[in-house]
Amino acid sequence: GENVEQHPSTLSVQEGDSAVIKCTYSDSASNYFPWYKQELGKGPQLIIDIRSNVGEKKDQRIAVTLNKTAKHFSLHITETQPEDSAVYFCAASKTGNQFYFGTGTSLTVIP
Amino acid sequence: DAGITQSPRHKVTETGTPVTLRCHQTENHRYMYWYRQDPGHGLRLIHYSYGVKDTDKGEVSDGYSVSRSKTEDFLLTLESATSSQTSVYFCAISPGGAGEKLFFGSGTQLSVL
Repeated sequence: GENVEQHPSTLSVQEGDSAVIKCTYSDSASNYFPWYKQELGKGPQLIIDIRSNVGEKKDQRIAVTLNKTAKHFSLHITETQPEDSAVYFCAASKTGNQFYFGTGTSLTVIP
Repeated sequence: DAGITQSPRHKVTETGTPVTLRCHQTENHRYMYWYRQDPGHGLRLIHYSYGVKDTDKGEVSDGYSVSRSKTEDFLLTLESATSSQTSVYFCAISPGGAGEKLFFGSGTQLSVL
């Protein structure tokens, strides 16, 4: 099956700086790559996603990039704010199949 | 949380007792999932359902069973709870079908003593 690796496991940034979280996947047939944000005591929330026919997608301060050749995708958060502090998960799936999740990155934004 | 209600939110039980967790959705989506979340492992699929009475195993299904007698309800049962099943359990739906966007409930924290 698919194997998704996520780095780093913890990340601290100063408010206003950028944060980058990276994931790699093993199955070249995977075609959908979502990112989830999980706040303490809550369920994961979808924040952005990308499909394999797109190289980059942006939504305000967050963006995701995908490199199909290298089989990795990244989450970029610019102008970080304290409310961005949370655990972020990447995932990979292919149509009709289950999701495989990374092990999570705990992001702390220091005011 | 995407019209998903999980109950209970917290439960403490003893080893060897049966436990049932409930997931209720309000929008009649076909695909429903049960995941467990553990430190260092991320989210792992336990079982999923693609319709009433249609269920299948995920990657960590041992010790768990599920039932779906109505579209809106998906039950997860631990027949005889063990300490290794202490975890946070999340229900999810995918309105677009298998492999499409997942939306999660708020989770159930289960402690098996």
